Amino acid sequence: ETGVTQTPRHLVMGMTNKKSLKCEQHLGHNAMYWYKQSAKKPLELMFVYNFKEQTENNSVPSRFSPECPNSSHLFLHLHTLQPEDSALYLCASSQEASSPGELFFGEGSRLTVL
Amino acid sequence: SQQGEEDPQALSIQEGENATMNCSYKTSINNLQWYRQNSGRGLVHLILIRSNEREKHSGRLRVTLDTSKKSSSLLITASRAADTASYFCATDRGSSGSARQLTFGSGTQLTVLP
Repeated sequence: ETGVTQTPRHLVMGMTNKKSLKCEQHLGHNAMYWYKQSAKKPLELMFVYNFKEQTENNSVPSRFSPECPNSSHLFLHLHTLQPEDSALYLCASSQEASSPGELFFGEGSRLTVL
Repeated sequence: SQQGEEDPQALSIQEGENATMNCSYKTSINNLQWYRQNSGRGLVHLILIRSNEREKHSGRLRVTLDTSKKSSSLLITASRAADTASYFCATDRGSSGSARQLTFGSGTQLTVLP
């Protein structure tokens, strides 16, 4: 148990569906992250939020839409995805008051796009 | 662009042996971190070494950092079957007070045979 909870753990969706991934951290951290992990590829940083403000968007297609209503919650809204978007989506958090610091990851949401 | 590159991509050893994994990177860093990932799970932080440190120990783990060669190594001594996992290095370009800017490598898949 890392203190970062992701739901759902598994998701299957068609290319025309709209779904959302949810991440919640109980660690009092200020920064939250979305990473994409595809087979045989390094983790790809998608979005970074620091104190609820988006500080990084790594050229992610607009079919992925993040939302950070507060420092404890992070969402990734999905719509009109492609089969190549199938991957493990990992949420992480970190404490920015101290430096340097490590990331605390959730267990991931395994997404399959049909 | 990818920052960390692990070597080897896969490593298979007998229980009790030592396992060494290497990581090379390209640009200057604030610190370097190692993470472990069991199959289909989230990443777990193992150890962090700052750019002004050369060696660090944690239990059966030993990490070295050579900033002149832009490389790091992770040594796991007296390996156990439970050490079977993927190991990733991550370089951090972030500064104090900012969100982490971790870039991960492709990982080394370690298999420890009983």
